[in-house]
Amino acid sequence: NAGVTQTPKFQVLKTGQSMTLQCAQDMNHNSMYWYRQDPGMGLRLIYYSASEGTTDKGEVPNGYNVSRLNKREFSLRLESAAPSQTSVYFCASSHPTGGPGNTIYFGEGSWLTVV
Amino acid sequence: GENVEQHPSTLSVQEGDSAVIKCTYSDSASNYFPWYKQELGKRPQLIIDIRSNVGEKKDQRIAVTLNKTAKHFSLHITETQPEDSAVYFCAASLNFGNEKLTFGTGTRLTIIP
Repeated sequence: NAGVTQTPKFQVLKTGQSMTLQCAQDMNHNSMYWYRQDPGMGLRLIYYSASEGTTDKGEVPNGYNVSRLNKREFSLRLESAAPSQTSVYFCASSHPTGGPGNTIYFGEGSWLTVV
Repeated sequence: GENVEQHPSTLSVQEGDSAVIKCTYSDSASNYFPWYKQELGKRPQLIIDIRSNVGEKKDQRIAVTLNKTAKHFSLHITETQPEDSAVYFCAASLNFGNEKLTFGTGTRLTIIP
């Protein structure tokens, strides 16, 4: 049981390049998320998906696109990377309702640097 | 939208002493308040959570209290140990949901041996 797996773990991009962060979960969760984490800013939600085929904007969606390919996979795409998108990105999954046993499971993180 | 403020941003306590981290939220309709712990270079992990119909919840050395009237909630760690050193994040959401959680900015807790 791998939990939430995201790739790549480290990536350096040049301004204007594009890339896709891949994420997969094997816990049969309906809800999946992409967060970014910046120093002093905490975790901020970029996009989430309540179920296969649906996606919704979070707090900071500008500059990103997402695809919920199937129940297991949720990808994040940067079409034209900017230095402001240098961050640590976390994919996560969970049941939609919080409470005992219904935690959000995070991936290990992807460190992205845009130069 | 919801706004969650967390204080202090850094906290150092002697091993064995207690640590308290406080959060305030802006949306009175928020009803789910989890706390996450993130060790250096690792992923965040849930340590305790509370729903708005409960005023306090304990799990061994960790407790969370909620004051709905004042719109604030706190994390209490007693008998601190070196392994408690980490960054702690509070969060709040509506509909008891994991979706659209709003996180605080984090508290870096350092336990001094």
